Amino acid sequence: QSALTQPASVSGSPGQSITISCTGTSSDVGGYNYVSWYQQHPGKAPKLMVYDVGYRPSGVSDRFSGSKSGNTASLTISGLQAEDEADYYCSSYTSSSTYVFGTGTKVTVL
Amino acid sequence: EVQLVESGGGLVQPGESLSLSCVASGFTFSSYGMNWIRQAPGKGLEWVSYISSSTSIIYYADSVKGRFTISRDNAKTSLYLQMHTLRAEDTAVYYCARKKGIAVAGASDYWGQGTLVSVSS
Repeated sequence: QSALTQPASVSGSPGQSITISCTGTSSDVGGYNYVSWYQQHPGKAPKLMVYDVGYRPSGVSDRFSGSKSGNTASLTISGLQAEDEADYYCSSYTSSSTYVFGTGTKVTVL
Repeated sequence: EVQLVESGGGLVQPGESLSLSCVASGFTFSSYGMNWIRQAPGKGLEWVSYISSSTSIIYYADSVKGRFTISRDNAKTSLYLQMHTLRAEDTAVYYCARKKGIAVAGASDYWGQGTLVSVSS
């Protein structure tokens, strides 16, 4: 199972919106609505930001939103803030009853 | 408050075995599926294994199938990962994570802080 494809880095200025893409196949992203997104700060454990494509866990800012079209899922961060600077990973359930993560995207707040 | 605390990591030689534990608290452990997920130094996340709440469903990544065994003891609110025939590429921080919701598939909503496994001669 190959990792889902994410851009290596995305950057934006405070207040701007950025979007991170996550491209898979019909056997994972395109086949199931079990796409999730995680935020990871250096030296910390990942934190769930979006689950089941577009749902936010309690306590996660509504500046984070998820969507999916075909084999590509996206995470949008609006009103970018300094604290959003982190690594972001997507993940999807697969037809093999396994999970696959994305390659990871480093978000930089300029 | 949900807490997951991993332990058991350390330095081992290639071919050796190691057993990891994860003690859960703050939720009804027996009602949730659990995952092990790892992260090699400076690399991305890799899912390792899943076990359902009743242990009736177990899945493994191809990279560890036949070498790793996941298990749980609901009475002790603990999750385990037995690792055999370890390889250098198994070097990683290993996280235990709670599977959100009752479906087999879905996100991991709570993660432990991880335990480092280093495989080197």
